[in-house]
Amino acid sequence: QVQLVQSGAEVKKPGASVRVSCKVSGHTLSGFSIHWVRQSPGDGLEWMGGFFPEDGETKYSPQFQGRVTMTEDTTSDTAFLEMAGLTSEDTAIYYCTTRPGLAAAGDHWGRGTLITVSS
Amino acid sequence: DVQMTQSPSSVSASVGDSVTITCRASESIRWLAWFQQKPGGAPKLLIYAASSLFTGVPSRFRGSGSGTDFTLTISNIEPEDFATYFCLQSGSVPLTFGGGTRVELK
Repeated sequence: QVQLVQSGAEVKKPGASVRVSCKVSGHTLSGFSIHWVRQSPGDGLEWMGGFFPEDGETKYSPQFQGRVTMTEDTTSDTAFLEMAGLTSEDTAIYYCTTRPGLAAAGDHWGRGTLITVSS
Repeated sequence: DVQMTQSPSSVSASVGDSVTITCRASESIRWLAWFQQKPGGAPKLLIYAASSLFTGVPSRFRGSGSGTDFTLTISNIEPEDFATYFCLQSGSVPLTFGGGTRVELK
């Protein structure tokens, strides 16, 4: 059974950086394309970026380009989301998921990581 | 970016009713998916490629449409269907979600 296990909630100061992890169990990370989606409190879903194997590259939403880095450690089957220059508007739940909307990816989601940005 | 306009933002229904949710894309798209999300939970895929039912999803969920206009119809709503629904275009980067439709118990 595939599971995406995310790191725990964090509280950060404005201007700080955060790293969220997403460990794949029941499968190898290399068999998936991990994407990240965030959801602000009481708000909708926002795609941040993810890996596209057909292009061999990670692509980012322009909104996050330059401020967000997505990486993977295949030795530990863990994906990472790093975001710099946090503001209160980055307070949200961050989800890792296998490529959203693609049935062949299996629709696997982490339980989400709440990042709170507050002074 | 492809803008996804979803309507209505909320709808009230009784068990056994049918509900239709619409997503309109700002340009023609090829890949459209529908998700269900319940409070405190991650989204779950219902429909992919506009009209294909994902594994394990009840047949009362039906997706249709092409080009710029897509619909999700829930027939004979069950108590467990009261949730928020989102569309997603996944054919061009950035992937973009609709604003969501909350289906509430009347």
